[in-house]
Amino acid sequence: AQKITQTQPGMFVQEKEAVTLDCTYDTSDQSYGLFWYKQPSSGEMIFLIYQGSYDEQNATEGRYSLNFQKARKSANLVISASQLGDSAMYFCAMRSLTGGFKTIFGAGTRLFVKA
Amino acid sequence: GAVVSQHPSRVICKSGTSVKIECRSLDFQATTMFWYRQFPKQSLMLMATSNEGSKATYEQGVEKDKFLINHASLTLSTLTVTSAHPEDSSFYICSATRGRGPYNEQFFGPGTRLTVL
Repeated sequence: AQKITQTQPGMFVQEKEAVTLDCTYDTSDQSYGLFWYKQPSSGEMIFLIYQGSYDEQNATEGRYSLNFQKARKSANLVISASQLGDSAMYFCAMRSLTGGFKTIFGAGTRLFVKA
Repeated sequence: GAVVSQHPSRVICKSGTSVKIECRSLDFQATTMFWYRQFPKQSLMLMATSNEGSKATYEQGVEKDKFLINHASLTLSTLTVTSAHPEDSSFYICSATRGRGPYNEQFFGPGTRLTVL
């Protein structure tokens, strides 16, 4: 069964500091994709970063980086130099062949950035 | 990036009426479209997957007669909530992909907030 687990319902971080949002996943597939999305209060889903299961290097996109540890089945999102505008809900997601290429989402982590 | 639109963005209706939500891929042809439902402070739950010209595949527990999905073209999918009730009030989000592999980006619409009185 495909599953995404985010164990942090809420996180606080001081502005300009880095924060790590945890994500673990479960799949029997060898080929899969891992995604992180940001959902502000407006509701739109904003794509942040992607990691393929065969990618040897951790993905990075600006202030976002993905700490991919395949053996541990974890794909943590690291946000560096947090900004007030980073306050939002963050979802980890996965797509795989066994899952019919459907994207499944974790429960989400609400991030609060303090000034 | 590619753009997916939804219409309407917000709808309020009376119990017992039907509501249609449109999802369009504006600048690409979508291989597959997905419909999600999100309750407040919860995650996105996949309702159904639709491919152009074929019947939608519904997730377990989703009533296909209540949530009618029509994928009329490669750029348009519609979700009709039939005989809506207050428990159907939710945030409905569609998404579209250009391919079926795990490496294809999924583009999300802005969502439709449905309130059933």
